[in-house]
Amino acid sequence: ETGVTQSPTHLIKTRGQQVTLRCSSQSGHNTVSWYQQALGQGPQFIFQYYREEENGRGNFPPRFSGLQFPNYSSELNVNALELDDSALYLCASSLGAGLAGGRGETQYFGPGTRLLVL
Amino acid sequence: GNSVTQMEGPVTLSEEAFLTINCTYTATGYPSLFWYVQYPGEGLQLLLKATKADDKGSNKGFEATYRKETTSFHLEKGSVQVSDSAVYFCALIQGAQKLVFGQGTRLTINP
Repeated sequence: ETGVTQSPTHLIKTRGQQVTLRCSSQSGHNTVSWYQQALGQGPQFIFQYYREEENGRGNFPPRFSGLQFPNYSSELNVNALELDDSALYLCASSLGAGLAGGRGETQYFGPGTRLLVL
Repeated sequence: GNSVTQMEGPVTLSEEAFLTINCTYTATGYPSLFWYVQYPGEGLQLLLKATKADDKGSNKGFEATYRKETTSFHLEKGSVQVSDSAVYFCALIQGAQKLVFGQGTRLTINP
């Protein structure tokens, strides 16, 4: 059973550019969630995808967007990068966003992509 | 809304000392509770979880008990090792959607 993988591991961009981060979910998992972790802070929820549809969104502007593919892998896209977007971006996979009353499904995290915006 | 408050760090202990990291939460209903650990330069690893009141999660010598009456989920370990040095995050989830994390507690264990 393979775990959650993310690419790239590190990325440097300049303000105004666009970036795409990728995530492969753990085998058998159908749900992917993305989090942003600023230095010294806890992760903040960006959004979640279940069966290729957005299934909830945190307090992030529309320039943060995502996709989920039929194999349940996912992308996070950020347009018009700002300096404050510099952070560790974490992807987590889980099983069961679609379960009735889906309660407390454990999320398993990848190693993250560290983005630096200059 | 839901929130998690953790004991402020950093925490520095000697090897074999007893560890407690406090965590309290605010939520309606019955969230599931988690402890995640983050080693330097890495992502988050699930350490333990509890899904209902009075449940005890345990793993690698760490334990935490879901206390609904005090809305707490304190992390404990009887004898810490240098390899336990990391940042520890308490988190809750309601439904299967977003995890809400505390701010993290940095733990350093000295030999």
